[in-house]
Amino acid sequence: AQSVTQPDIHITVSEGASLELRCNYSYGATPYLFWYVQSPGQGLQLLLKYFSGDTLVQGIKGFEAEFKRSQSSFNLRKPAVHWSDAAEYFCAVVGGGADGLTFGKGTHLIIQP
Amino acid sequence: NAGVTQTPKFRILKIGQSMTLQCAQDMNHNYMYWYRQDPGMGLKLIYYSVGAGITDKGEVPNGYNVSRSTTEDFPLRLELAAPSQTSVYFCASSLEGALEAFFGQGTRLTVV
Repeated sequence: AQSVTQPDIHITVSEGASLELRCNYSYGATPYLFWYVQSPGQGLQLLLKYFSGDTLVQGIKGFEAEFKRSQSSFNLRKPAVHWSDAAEYFCAVVGGGADGLTFGKGTHLIIQP
Repeated sequence: NAGVTQTPKFRILKIGQSMTLQCAQDMNHNYMYWYRQDPGMGLKLIYYSVGAGITDKGEVPNGYNVSRSTTEDFPLRLELAAPSQTSVYFCASSLEGALEAFFGQGTRLTVV
């Protein structure tokens, strides 16, 4: 069965600074990978996804992520964060079955002024 | 675009009561899911459905039941509410199992 690890529970970044959120996955074949963002009291919104091809994928709100098979990682990055980026971020993987996404436990992003 | 609609948004139940969380999607998606979200635990799959008339258990199905009589609707039933079911519940849908899921706004349930 697949699994996802997000090693950082909380991350604090100054506004305008760069950001990297870590995600490691476990899956036997090539996974489908996703990053979702959850603002307080809201549902989950898809930031970006990786299915195949170019290992650097671009998403909404200026985010990007890089798939590294050798490291089983799919880290999320943003060159300069904005106060509105404060939220919970979830990495997820889906395998070949019908049982949907397997989520990491999330990383809570705090933006300092 | 309505997407995935969940009702109610908030609910307080007493121990032993029952209720149904409603979920409807208007995207003609075959796959639908129910997740629960607990602090620091991410989202865990309760039940899922690959089409009308077909449902299956996820990781944490105990205490819940579902039905899928139409493509659009996927209600989640709690028969005997327990404090351990205090959580935020999310319904989601996807066109296929390996594609991205679209989420509702969630239902915050408290069992006292």
